[in-house]
Amino acid sequence: GAGVSQSPSNKVTEKGKDVELRCDPISGHTALYWYRQSLGQGLEFLIYFQGNSAPDKSGLPSDRFSAERTGGSVSTLTIQRTQQEDSAVYLCASSLRVLGSGEQFFGPGTRLTVL
Amino acid sequence: DQQVKQNSPSLSVQEGRISILNCDYTNSMFDYFLWYKKYPAEGPTFLISISSIKDKNEDGRFTVFLNKSAKHLSLHIVPSQPGDSAVYFCASGAQKLVFGQGTRLTINP
Repeated sequence: GAGVSQSPSNKVTEKGKDVELRCDPISGHTALYWYRQSLGQGLEFLIYFQGNSAPDKSGLPSDRFSAERTGGSVSTLTIQRTQQEDSAVYLCASSLRVLGSGEQFFGPGTRLTVL
Repeated sequence: DQQVKQNSPSLSVQEGRISILNCDYTNSMFDYFLWYKKYPAEGPTFLISISSIKDKNEDGRFTVFLNKSAKHLSLHIVPSQPGDSAVYFCASGAQKLVFGQGTRLTINP
């Protein structure tokens, strides 16, 4: 597809379970970003990738969160032992490169609900 | 600490009138600012941006103004149309964008 895609679109899980969220960036975009939006909040930065490496993981809320990117394309965000406070919309974005300024293109997000 | 703040959670404007969305920031190192628009169940889409070397950038019905001394930017939409009803986020940063909380704009026919 032409845009950033994410799967699943919705995920309901039980507290304590692990979840994997997937992001397919725009073809050719070397930079990939993960954000999350909790209810009533703005978007919160989690992590970004330049190629397959993650220079900035400062936004990951805890060591239960991890992300990887393979082949400079698809990325997976994994949340282990999910907690109710992890419930949010997880958004992925990509850009041609990590720019000093410029546009990031967002996917539709994955809505995660932890019961 | 919230580096980017949108103090109005919602705004209602009559169709055809001007919509003004406001944003304040605290980090004087920010040198590029963006506005994103978000419809329900969709990701944010880029709307307009401005570099700190400018104080105004215009694109059709959308104009962004930057007041560096006040650390304030605003988005003007004129004339407002029903399709402009959405949540608007201001953002700044480089590799990682810092977003405001968003303002829900409703355009009334």
